[in-house]
Amino acid sequence: NAGVTQTPKFRILKIGQSMTLQCTQDMNHNYMYWYRQDPGMGLKLIYYSVGAGITDKGEVPNGYNVSRSTTEDFPLRLELAAPSQTSVYFCASSPGFSNQPQHFGDGTRLSIL
Amino acid sequence: QKEVEQNSGPLSVPEGAIASLNCTYSDRGSQSFFWYRQYSGKSPELIMSIYSNGDKEDGRFTAQLNKASQYVSLLIRDSQPSDSATYLCAVNALSTGNQFYFGTGTSLTVIP
Repeated sequence: NAGVTQTPKFRILKIGQSMTLQCTQDMNHNYMYWYRQDPGMGLKLIYYSVGAGITDKGEVPNGYNVSRSTTEDFPLRLELAAPSQTSVYFCASSPGFSNQPQHFGDGTRLSIL
Repeated sequence: QKEVEQNSGPLSVPEGAIASLNCTYSDRGSQSFFWYRQYSGKSPELIMSIYSNGDKEDGRFTAQLNKASQYVSLLIRDSQPSDSATYLCAVNALSTGNQFYFGTGTSLTVIP
């Protein structure tokens, strides 16, 4: 019973590099989310998806892209990494009904140098 | 205006005391309210959910919701050092579909 799995757990990138943060869930949840958490700043929504093939922007989408080709996977793509994208990234999923909570992965700690 | 606001703390209580954490929200149409606990360096972990006005108890935790005043609180009875963490309030805002808005969290330290 893995829940939400994120890879990698840690990564250091150079400015201008690109990478994909992977997220997969085995709970058959329709909704998936990507957040970033900066120190003392709470969680900010980057993108979310309500089902395969459907994605939408959250509060801070600039510099990121997502895709949702399957129910299980929701990768987050960083293009042209910038120091401002140094953060901890959390992927979450939920069944999709408003009264159901989100379940979080363990996070990816990303540093851009 | 922030969707969800919490006092950042830090809040310190002695072991065995009651810790009280508060959260206010701006969207009157909000229907679902959640409390998450986040240990340093870890991911948020759901500890309570509440949907109706009043109190909901689960072990040492009690969530309180007052929709008229737009606040939700979390009481931790008989606080333990293991309760030391940051507590995040999350609200589902109907105005933005199924987006969840999180407060910045309240840091709680339980002193042995």
